[in-house]
Amino acid sequence: GAVVSQHPSRVICKSGTSVKIECRSLDFQATTMFWYRQFPKQSLMLMATSNEGSKATYEQGVEKDKFLINHASLTLSTLTVTSAHPEDSSFYICSARSEGTNYGYTFGSGTRLTVV
Amino acid sequence: AQSVTQLDSQVPVFEEAPVELRCNYSSSVSVYLFWYVQYPNQGLQLLLKYLSGSTLVKGINGFEAEFNKSQTSFHLRKPSVHISDTAEYFCAVRALGGSYIPTFGRGTSLIVHP
Repeated sequence: GAVVSQHPSRVICKSGTSVKIECRSLDFQATTMFWYRQFPKQSLMLMATSNEGSKATYEQGVEKDKFLINHASLTLSTLTVTSAHPEDSSFYICSARSEGTNYGYTFGSGTRLTVV
Repeated sequence: AQSVTQLDSQVPVFEEAPVELRCNYSSSVSVYLFWYVQYPNQGLQLLLKYLSGSTLVKGINGFEAEFNKSQTSFHLRKPSVHISDTAEYFCAVRALGGSYIPTFGRGTSLIVHP
């Protein structure tokens, strides 16, 4: 079945540095990818939707200059948290949609970001 | 726009007992319905989905769900749970056509006790 690989699974960084999270679709072409943020014991909060070759669409309240999303190919999307602060610490999950996945969405395994 | 309500934030149950996790949705258009499971520090895994046809949908790990259009519900059931079913369960909907963005419920934590 469709597989989405997300790396790293866990990262600790210092305040003020930038962190890049990668999301790759391994056996299908992901025309659309979604980036979510999840707080403890809460649902997924959609941050942005990215389509290959075009600019990402950010949800209201999400700082596009802070959370840079690039979807340069049909198999790779990246989320870069720039100038990270402790309040950016969270669980980030990507999800991919493909015409071939029968209306389902395939999720990455998530990235636990801790900013110290 | 669509919305999803998972009334129970937490459902404790003993091993081998049956369980039902409730999901109600609101939408002005027809929708696709999904249930996902999330284990600690992992992404979401699709349990089952309803697209059309039979209202009783069977998924992985022995779970099933029934789509009830009149009650706008899509409750998840399992006749006998295992310790390994302890996880967070999310109901989601997506409108037919238009935006492909799914709407998630807040999640239900299933806790299976020995």
